Amino acid sequence: EADIYQTPRYLVIGTGKKITLECSQTMGHDKMYWYQQDPGMELHLIHYSYGVNSTEKGDLSSESTVSRIRTEHFPLTLESARPSHTSQYLCASSEGHWTADTQYFGPGTRLTVL
Amino acid sequence: AQSVAQPEDQVNVAEGNPLTVKCTYSVSGNPYLFWYVQYPNRGLQFLLKYITGDNLVKGSYGFEAEFNKSQTSFHLKKPSALVSDSALYFCAVRDPLSVGAGSYQLTFGKGTKLSVIP
Repeated sequence: EADIYQTPRYLVIGTGKKITLECSQTMGHDKMYWYQQDPGMELHLIHYSYGVNSTEKGDLSSESTVSRIRTEHFPLTLESARPSHTSQYLCASSEGHWTADTQYFGPGTRLTVL
Repeated sequence: AQSVAQPEDQVNVAEGNPLTVKCTYSVSGNPYLFWYVQYPNRGLQFLLKYITGDNLVKGSYGFEAEFNKSQTSFHLKKPSALVSDSALYFCAVRDPLSVGAGSYQLTFGKGTKLSVIP
């Protein structure tokens, strides 16, 4: 198992609430990623970071935002949650020295917005 | 653009029988290919990857995959299936010819649910 952590594992909240999903890794990896996965379905990249103070949007449009102030930490924030945000969110990291690097995933956060 | 197809939503196999989970890809150049497994309510676990060299790649838990350039395939195989292999399997591709910000992105297939029947 890779040393990448996500909290909370499960979150049920009401519409309009602000939430932050935490992701941290202890491997010193430069690159980090957020994927969205609907139940039993493929993953879609929503955000990635190549290092501190670097963030980019992925292929799937998302209303969430991310920050990368420290190498080990890559939180995702939803300012006003809606039922359409209900999904599983997976964080990943890779060394980033070359494009054949393996991405290692955290356990995921399953978000339900009522 | 890079893409991955997993033609089977579900594969059923009897315990002890060989298993195959299929994957085909499309990239501009020579691909980097990955297999991941996902157990219920868990993240993805890395199984193996193909970068270059020997077309047969061996990975974790007795899995292996064969890269076939002419058929643009990267099928996952195991000689003898275990009930504990039952999970969701994802194939992913990265195009090393991508430049800039896209060069590290993985494109995943839709996943194949493997059920191993006792």
